[in-house]
Amino acid sequence: DIQMTQSPPSLSASLGETVSIECRASEDIYSNLAWYQQKSGKSPQLLIHYASSLQDGAPSRFSGSGSDTQYSLKISGMQPEDEGVYYCLQGSKYPYTFGAGTKLEVK
Amino acid sequence: EVQLVESGGGLVQPGRSLKLSCAASGFTFSNYGMAWVRQAPTKGLEWVATISYDGSSTYYRDSVKGRFTISRDNAKSTLYLQMDSLRSEDTATYYCARQNGYDPYWYFDFWGPGTMVTVSS
Repeated sequence: DIQMTQSPPSLSASLGETVSIECRASEDIYSNLAWYQQKSGKSPQLLIHYASSLQDGAPSRFSGSGSDTQYSLKISGMQPEDEGVYYCLQGSKYPYTFGAGTKLEVK
Repeated sequence: EVQLVESGGGLVQPGRSLKLSCAASGFTFSNYGMAWVRQAPTKGLEWVATISYDGSSTYYRDSVKGRFTISRDNAKSTLYLQMDSLRSEDTATYYCARQNGYDPYWYFDFWGPGTMVTVSS
């Protein structure tokens, strides 16, 4: 199985601050990496797919980058509504696997 | 507007069965693969199973293989998950998700609100 190692586990950011979350795959996943935001008590929402493609409706302050085994999600200018847990997903090979999540809070 | 609505969750004893349903609307259901993803209380997300757009191919995680069956009825735009021989570790919120992309570049672009399954005596 492909292991997805996500860091950091938690993060606290001030409003307007730029934050980054990382995901490392145990093998090359050829940019098949998606990022999700999950707010408390809600289902996950897709932010980024194919490592860097912004999903329709997702705010432009979210961006993704990376290749091979290393990927990152950047939020340029933290907003109050960005609080939640962020997950990465590899959909390259079964079983599809998620990172353990990064809990993002406003400082 | 894409909508996915799960139903069928509840409290069930270990070893018993439960069948989840997911009613889809707002898109051509028969054009998309579909999946079930679960989340145990206070835990992360875990992919459970996927079915191809026409139902001809199914995929499962090892821990549910032989116990869970994913199926679909394209005429009714409905996805199912038959769960047999349930264990306490199957306790989770189960999400139905639309699978988008192309082989082998897949992701889940829309999710339902989820249905809770609790396995306990």
